Amino acid sequence: AQTVTQSQPEMSVQEAETVTLSCTYDTSESDYYLFWYKQPPSRQMILVIRQEAYKQQNATENRFSVNFQKAAKSFSLKISDSQLGDAAMYFCAYRGFAQGGSEKLVFGKGTKLTVNP
Amino acid sequence: KAGVTQTPRYLIKTRGQQVTLSCSPISGHRSVSWYQQTPGQGLQFLFEYFSETQRNKGNFPGRFSGRQFSNSRSEMNVSTLELGDSALYLCASSLVFGSQETQYFGPGTRLLVL
Repeated sequence: AQTVTQSQPEMSVQEAETVTLSCTYDTSESDYYLFWYKQPPSRQMILVIRQEAYKQQNATENRFSVNFQKAAKSFSLKISDSQLGDAAMYFCAYRGFAQGGSEKLVFGKGTKLTVNP
Repeated sequence: KAGVTQTPRYLIKTRGQQVTLSCSPISGHRSVSWYQQTPGQGLQFLFEYFSETQRNKGNFPGRFSGRQFSNSRSEMNVSTLELGDSALYLCASSLVFGSQETQYFGPGTRLLVL
């Protein structure tokens, strides 16, 4: 079974600085999808960024970018110019590819990010 | 476009009771998945529905069930509630069925079982 590991239970960053959240996963598949979701105190899970395993180029969304290392099974999230609104729990998630089907999202345990003013 | 909506947002029940939670997907989305979130177990997949049919099921007892209606709205039911069922229940919708689809989450229903 696929597993997702987030080794940093908590991280903190100064406003306007850059922070990187780590995520590793275990899979024997070659095709899959990776996601970072953000869950602020309101509990609404918000999609931050998505990466397809077959794409070598790292995904970016404004201040958010990933470092996808397929061979190392690593998928880290970099947040640049951190803002107070970035404070949240961040979940890394894996979804396997299923021809004609659908696989569930497998989540890591999360990293709580604090942004200090 | 409105996001995923879940009702009720908060619920308090006692052991042995049953509960029904509702999820309305984003307009046009036809696939709905349910997840349970607890501090101890994290986020765990319950089931996925598409075209009124359950397509995937997680490792939960039969007390957990769900269904999807023709308008893509979904309900999940938990019978004979146990204390351990206290959790945040998240619903997610996607356009169609398939791993290539991104799931968008609702705000969740927080269930407390006393």
